[in-house]
Amino acid sequence: GNSVTQMEGPVTLSEEAFLTINCTYTATGYPSLFWYVQYPGEGLQLLLKATKADDKGSNKGFEATYRKETTSFHLEKGSVQVSDSAVYFCALRLWGSGGSNYKLTFGKGTLLTVNP
Amino acid sequence: GAVVSQHPSWVICKSGTSVKIECRSLDFQATTMFWYRQFPKQSLMLMATSNEGSKATYEQGVEKDKFLINHASLTLSTLTVTSAHPEDSSFYICSASGGFGYQETQYFGPGTRLLVL
Repeated sequence: GNSVTQMEGPVTLSEEAFLTINCTYTATGYPSLFWYVQYPGEGLQLLLKATKADDKGSNKGFEATYRKETTSFHLEKGSVQVSDSAVYFCALRLWGSGGSNYKLTFGKGTLLTVNP
Repeated sequence: GAVVSQHPSWVICKSGTSVKIECRSLDFQATTMFWYRQFPKQSLMLMATSNEGSKATYEQGVEKDKFLINHASLTLSTLTVTSAHPEDSSFYICSASGGFGYQETQYFGPGTRLLVL
């Protein structure tokens, strides 16, 4: 089946530190990959996505590259801010075949806390 | 970007009453909407998938008679929690699907926090 594995948190960093949150996946087919962010008390916001191998998604200083050879989609940011404190979810979606492949499969989420 | 709203943002109700939660796609038409439930410090659990004009598809273990879903139009889906009990207290999040094929992306609402007393 399809699955997403994220590094377990919580992750605590100081402001301006480098961030990496690892994400690997297992999928029967060619998935699209997503990172969503959830701020406290809110729903999920799409942070970035990549739809095919070697694509790089980027937004708000965050980047992730779709690596088919390592089945990974690690999230990185060069210099985190206090406002980046949130829970980050990696997710995959298969397309084209409908049915159960139409759904998003989420990782368990990684809590990031950035201290001033 | 695509915006999805939910109403109400939070609700408190007495045990035994029914609660309706609305999910709207504000600037795009969504043929498919999804309803999730999230427990504290946990990931999202998909409850059901709804397509405009047809019956919702429920995930295994989700009671369709308890969680009624109506997808009345391309911009509105509702979730009704019938005869709510304290164990139904949770954070309910909807998402609406925009785009086609491999560009299809789910956009999430801000969530509705339900507390059943």
